[in-house]
Amino acid sequence: EAQVTQNPRYLITVTGKKLTVTCSQNMNHEYMSWYRQDPGLGLRQIYYSMNVEVTDKGDVPEGYKVSRKEKRNFPLILESPSPNQTSLYFCASSAALGSVEQYFGPGTRLTVT
Amino acid sequence: GQQLNQSPQSMFIQEGEDVSMNCTSSSIFNTWLWYKQEPGEGPVLLIALYKAGELTSNGRLTAQFGITRKDSFLNISASIPSDVGIYFCAGQLGGQNFVFGPGTRLSVLP
Repeated sequence: EAQVTQNPRYLITVTGKKLTVTCSQNMNHEYMSWYRQDPGLGLRQIYYSMNVEVTDKGDVPEGYKVSRKEKRNFPLILESPSPNQTSLYFCASSAALGSVEQYFGPGTRLTVT
Repeated sequence: GQQLNQSPQSMFIQEGEDVSMNCTSSSIFNTWLWYKQEPGEGPVLLIALYKAGELTSNGRLTAQFGITRKDSFLNISASIPSDVGIYFCAGQLGGQNFVFGPGTRLSVLP
């Protein structure tokens, strides 16, 4: 089954404790991205990657890092999480740059206390 | 940055009623998209619109790309309980640069 998976689905952590949210897709898609979803704001793009070793900032990259060492994986790293990063995070992938068909993962709900 | 406005923010309707929601922007977009998000899941693409004035249907869903390229609407006919969810519009600026609206939360009462 074609899908985007994220782990963990739920995470409660404390300020400053580094964490990684993993994202993996099995569709051989070139393009992957991370979004955060906050009430009343819709989805905002954090980072995206056009292919292996090619990443770029989205609209709200501050406080986040990403890497793309393999085509299928695109982890999101929070080196020193803060409470304002409490949010619902989605990973998405699409076949090629410019494709409007984005496949979203199920989401990771992160709470930073 | 770019912002999209969606209205209404939420709506409660009776099963069988038709639904209409819209999305507006101060900017022009080349492509308009409509997504649906169900609880505990990520958004799923419903309809993509590529040309000003375009009217596209997907089952009971119909969406239109506004002539000014600054708005779009989505209609759902004869609503059913499984239509419940949050509906997002999104505009594509270019490449993989998308701007999402805040969503319209739809509740369907039996």
